[in-house]
Amino acid sequence: AQTVTQSQPEMSVQEAETVTLSCTYDTSESDYYLFWYKQPPSRQMILVIRQEAYKQQNATENRFSVNFQKAAKSFSLKISDSQLGDAAMYFCAYTQLMRFGAGTRLTVKP
Amino acid sequence: ETGVTQTPRHLVMGMTNKKSLKCEQHLGHNAMYWYKQSAKKPLELMFVYNFKEQTENNSVPSRFSPECPNSSHLFLHLHTLQPEDSALYLCASRPSGGLPDTQYFGPGTRLTVL
Repeated sequence: AQTVTQSQPEMSVQEAETVTLSCTYDTSESDYYLFWYKQPPSRQMILVIRQEAYKQQNATENRFSVNFQKAAKSFSLKISDSQLGDAAMYFCAYTQLMRFGAGTRLTVKP
Repeated sequence: ETGVTQTPRHLVMGMTNKKSLKCEQHLGHNAMYWYKQSAKKPLELMFVYNFKEQTENNSVPSRFSPECPNSSHLFLHLHTLQPEDSALYLCASRPSGGLPDTQYFGPGTRLTVL
C-alpha cells in the first residue's frame, strides 16, 4: 500500500525566513503526481504546488518550491520569505487514490 | 472560493438520527470524493465517484451511504452514527481521465455525533 509520511507534526518559522517541510512516500509506481496542500484555520484545503514524477525539474510557484528526490521517494516543500498568511496545516499527498500525510502545522512568528 | 460548496457547514446529531451532507461543484468535473478528517490523523478517503459511478469504497461502514445523482452533486447519507464518527467531512472534485490531477476541496462539514 502506498503511504505518505510527514515526520514533522509542527514547525515554526520567523516571518521573512525560510522553512522546509518534509515528506516521504512509498510506492512501486513509476508515474504519479505529488502535491502539497494548505489548510488554513478556515478549513478550506487549497493546492500549493504539484510535481509530476516524470519531470526531473523541481516545481516552483512564487515563494514555494519543492525538492523532489524520486529515488529517495522524498518530496519536501520550501517556503521562502515566510508570511503570516502562510500559517496553516500543510499536507503532502500522493496520487493514485490521493494518499495524504498526517500534516505539518506551520506557525509563523512576527 | 474553489467552486466546491458543502452544506451544512456544521451538524450536530444524535446516534439515532438520519441526516445528509451535500456537496456541489460548479467546475465541470466528473470525479468527486468524500474524505473524513479526524484530529491528528491523515485524511481518509471514503468514496470516489467517476461519471456518477462509484469506483472506490474504502471499507467504509454501511452507516455511511453515498449518492451521486449527477456529476455536479454528491451526497453522504448518515444513519445510526457513532461518536467516533465525529469529524470534518470534506468533499473534493477533479477532472476525470489520465493521471489523477489536482483536487479541489470544499470547506467541509463539521459533524458532531452525540
